[in-house]
Amino acid sequence: AQTVTQSQPEMSVQEAETVTLSCTYDTSESDYYLFWYKQPPSRQMILVIRQEAYKQQNATENRFSVNFQKAAKSFSLKISDSQLGDAAMYFCACFNNDMRFGAGTRLTVKP
Amino acid sequence: GAVVSQHPSWVICKSGTSVKIECRSLDFQATTMFWYRQFPKQSLMLMATSNEGSKATYEQGVEKDKFLINHASLTLSTLTVTSAHPEDSSFYICSAISGGNTGELFFGEGSRLTVL
Repeated sequence: AQTVTQSQPEMSVQEAETVTLSCTYDTSESDYYLFWYKQPPSRQMILVIRQEAYKQQNATENRFSVNFQKAAKSFSLKISDSQLGDAAMYFCACFNNDMRFGAGTRLTVKP
Repeated sequence: GAVVSQHPSWVICKSGTSVKIECRSLDFQATTMFWYRQFPKQSLMLMATSNEGSKATYEQGVEKDKFLINHASLTLSTLTVTSAHPEDSSFYICSAISGGNTGELFFGEGSRLTVL
């Protein structure tokens, strides 16, 4: 099964600044999907951004963008113009038949 | 987007009793559902994958006799924690996929189980 690694347990960013969350993954499959999810204190999983592995173009969703390096199996998330509401746990995930998650990164946004 | 509902959202039970958690897809047919367990400040750990009409596939280390999963219809999967013990206390999250291997997962709100 695929594995996902997030090496940053905690990150902090100043409001309006940019922050990048790191993620690496490992899979033997050629067809898979990568995700970033946000989990606020309510624990509801919120999809932030999705990337199909067969697409070379990096996905973007408003202030959120990814840097997808397929050869390096790297999938980082960049949050621009950080807002207080962005504070949450962020999980990187890989889907191929099932979804596996990284350990998560707790993001703090300082006013 | 599609909606997945979990019930109950919070349950407290006595040690030795069984607890059932329901996961329903409200506006789509879920061919596959996944059950996760999340301990405080930790990640979501996949427990099992259930396909409608067939036996669930459990991850290594997950006791299938302890965590009974039933996916009897395209809109409902249930997780029953049998003979619950305090160490089973956790947050359980289900997710559903509507079909195909597109990675389009929809998550329930989660169920917090506390075993006294």
